[in-house]
Amino acid sequence: GDSVTQMEGPVTLSEEAFLTINCTYTATGYPSLFWYVQYPGEGLQLLLKATKADDKGSNKGFEATYRKETTSFHLEKGSVQVSDSAVYFCALKPTGNQFYFGTGTSLTVIP
Amino acid sequence: DTGVSQNPRHKITKRGQNVTFRCDPISEHNRLYWYRQTLGQGPEFLTYFQNEAQLEKSRLLSDRFSAERPKGSFSTLEIQRTEQGDSAMYLCASSLSGQGEAFFGQGTRLTVV
Repeated sequence: GDSVTQMEGPVTLSEEAFLTINCTYTATGYPSLFWYVQYPGEGLQLLLKATKADDKGSNKGFEATYRKETTSFHLEKGSVQVSDSAVYFCALKPTGNQFYFGTGTSLTVIP
Repeated sequence: DTGVSQNPRHKITKRGQNVTFRCDPISEHNRLYWYRQTLGQGPEFLTYFQNEAQLEKSRLLSDRFSAERPKGSFSTLEIQRTEQGDSAMYLCASSLSGQGEAFFGQGTRLTVV
């Protein structure tokens, strides 16, 4: 069935370090892919999305490229800030109706 | 538009009691989703509406759970005879048909004691 596998955390980085959070997926057809971010005590906020192969989603310095050949959608940021500390979720929306989420990766950025 | 609104934000209830949560989606969105999230996990799908029609329900959704969306606007999620295992964050999201991304509310945190 459809599913998302996400790199386990927690991840701790120093400010200005490079971030990669791995995400791979299993799906039939041509799903849309998303990264959501969740700050403590809050709901999920859409960070970026890609709807077809080779699309690159980007927002607030974060990027992810939809790689159909490797079924991946890894999240990257060149220089993280303390304010980026949050839990990041990779999500998949196949041609059906529901979203499938990974288990989340907690990121802590220390000054 | 203020986004997806959920009420209450927090609910503490005794085991065996019934609880009801409300979700007000973004006004022009015709799709509405309910998810459940437990600590350290990603959101799990519960159910989905398109307008007032409930089109899909997860097998996770026991018969103690019921959701409605009268008139295709706000939605309610009721849990009857709550159990400690129902303690979780209940998230509501809405989207436009065909647009893909869902916008989430801040959630209702349920604690069953």
